[in-house]
Amino acid sequence: NAGVTQTPKFRILKIGQSMTLQCAQDMNHNYMYWYRQDPGMGLKLIYYSVGAGITDKGEVPNGYNVSRSTTEDFPLRLELAAPSQTSVYFCASSYSDLGGYEQYFGPGTRLTVT
Amino acid sequence: AQSVTQPDIHITVSEGASLELRCNYSYGATPYLFWYVQSPGQGLQLLLKYFSGDTLVQGIKGFEAEFKRSQSSFNLRKPSVHWSDAAEYFCAVGAGGSYIPTFGRGTSLIVHP
Repeated sequence: NAGVTQTPKFRILKIGQSMTLQCAQDMNHNYMYWYRQDPGMGLKLIYYSVGAGITDKGEVPNGYNVSRSTTEDFPLRLELAAPSQTSVYFCASSYSDLGGYEQYFGPGTRLTVT
Repeated sequence: AQSVTQPDIHITVSEGASLELRCNYSYGATPYLFWYVQSPGQGLQLLLKYFSGDTLVQGIKGFEAEFKRSQSSFNLRKPSVHWSDAAEYFCAVGAGGSYIPTFGRGTSLIVHP
């Protein structure tokens, strides 16, 4: 299993540009998440999904959009990029069972907006 | 809503010394508790988790953690630290049935040779 994969690894955007961060998992997990990580701030939840066709906002959703048309894929769309969106973005997935829902993380995408 | 505090931003230890990283949580019922490790330039990896049963939990890489309900704590320990343990450590707390854990701000572990 590849686990959780993210592309691209690095990206530089100009202010006002748009892009899509790709995330895929091959573990048949129903839950998927997008986080951003800023130095000293831990992880902030942007959006999450409990299954195909179902998404919901997290703590910091402004400036982002998501979709989940399949169990495997959960892309994150940035519209009109701003310097405040410079961050490292992590995608994660988890399963639901009585044993506790540990999360599996991708390697991250480092985004710089200038 | 749940919350989690990691009081120490940085911890410095010598290789071979013991380690304890602190984590305090706030939640009304029995929480799900996790410790994750993040090596530089990498994603997070689960070290261990607690959701019920024995309050002393063993994890990977020689780590363990103890759930203390009376102190609302879930501290991470390792008896002898290796240079490769240098990383960022995150504690997370979740409510049963929610599947949306809350992460602490992380503790950066520096290991001196």
